[in-house]
Parts: sequence; structure tokens; C-alpha cells
Amino acid sequence: GAVVSQHPSRVICKSGTSVKIECRSLDFQATTMFWYRQFPKQSLMLMATSNEGSKATYEQGVEKDKFLINHASLTLSTLTVTSAHPEDSSFYICSARDARTRSGALENEQFFGPGTRLTVL
Amino acid sequence: GQQLNQSPQSMFIQEGEDVSMNCTSSSIFNTWLWYKQDPGEGPVLLIALYKAGELTSNGRLTAQFGITRKDSFLNISASIPSDVGIYFCAGARNQFYFGTGTSLTVIP
Repeated sequence: GAVVSQHPSRVICKSGTSVKIECRSLDFQATTMFWYRQFPKQSLMLMATSNEGSKATYEQGVEKDKFLINHASLTLSTLTVTSAHPEDSSFYICSARDARTRSGALENEQFFGPGTRLTVL
Repeated sequence: GQQLNQSPQSMFIQEGEDVSMNCTSSSIFNTWLWYKQDPGEGPVLLIALYKAGELTSNGRLTAQFGITRKDSFLNISASIPSDVGIYFCAGARNQFYFGTGTSLTVIP
């Protein structure tokens, strides 16, 4: 099956520093990747859609200057949390959409990474 | 963003019992998917449904795409302790919209 990796799995940083999280599709190409945020005991909330070779599309209420997204290749997207603050502490999960299509379906399955636990002190 | 209504919110069942959970939306979706998430991990795809009315099984799991395209259900038969986790539905159009989750506890 399709495998998506994330690095790091856990990160602790000081307030005011920036943190970069990588998302990689290991055995397939992903023209589109998605970044989610999940608070404890809550569902996944989409932050932004990352498109290879173009600017990311951010959901309403998500600051694009704070959460920088770069999708430089068909297998790698990065999320940088700039000037992190304690309220940014969360579980960040990426997913990748396989570029191959299933006949008759416009939407493809998304495969999720294992997540990154960010703690800002 | 939009979230789908998923119920029940939590379930505590005896090992061996069957489980049923469902997801409803006010909007139509082209694809319904069911995921399981273990603590500290990303969601893992269980079943994907692509056609209204479609009924699909994956081992002890069975899911159906509602005929109105606004709902879906997931059944787990003969539950076992490793079924413990949080189950999320997701409806897909251009992007995914996730359900609120069902937390399942299986008592041995």
C-alpha cells in the first residue's frame, strides 16, 4: 500500500523559534498533499492544501505567513511553523493523494502520515 | 471547515459484540471513506466507497455508501480488543471533510 512518512515524529521547541515538518510519499507520486491539525480528542481540521509547483491553498482562519508550506517535488511537502507559540502545540498530520485515478472517481484516496507532535514551551 | 456528524461519539462494548456507527451530512459527497486512528498515530484507511448504495467489506468490517449520498455507516462484527481506537468517517468532494469521530473501547 501507499506509504507516507513524516519527520520528525516529535519536536519540542522554545517559543519564538521556527519548526519545519516534512511529509514524504515513499512509493507513489503525490501532486497534492494536505496538512491537518488535530487537538486532543478532536477530529482532523484541514489547514491547507499543498500543490506541487504552485502556492498552497489555505483554509479560512489559517495564517499563511505563520504556516509556510512548500511542495517542491512530487514526493515532498514541508510545513514550517514560524515564530511558534504555546498555542501552536498540536498534532500535525499530512496526507498525500495518489496521482493515479480510480476509474469514474474524481476523488482519490488520501494516505496519511504518522503525524508530528509539536510542543512549544 | 465543515465537519460531518458522526455517531455515536463513544462506545464501550464487550469483546465479540458487533459495532455500528454512522456519519451524516447535509451535503452530497462523491466518495465516503472510513479511517481508524490509534493514539499518537495518523489515520489508517479501512474502507473507501465510490458509488451510492455501494456495500463493501474488509474482513470483519462492512461499510455502505448511503443511497442519498449524504450518509454512510460502518459495521464491525465480532469485535476484538485490537479494534480499540477512534474511527473517523470522511466525505470527499474536492477535499476531505472529516466526521467528529467515534471512540471505541472493547472490554475483554
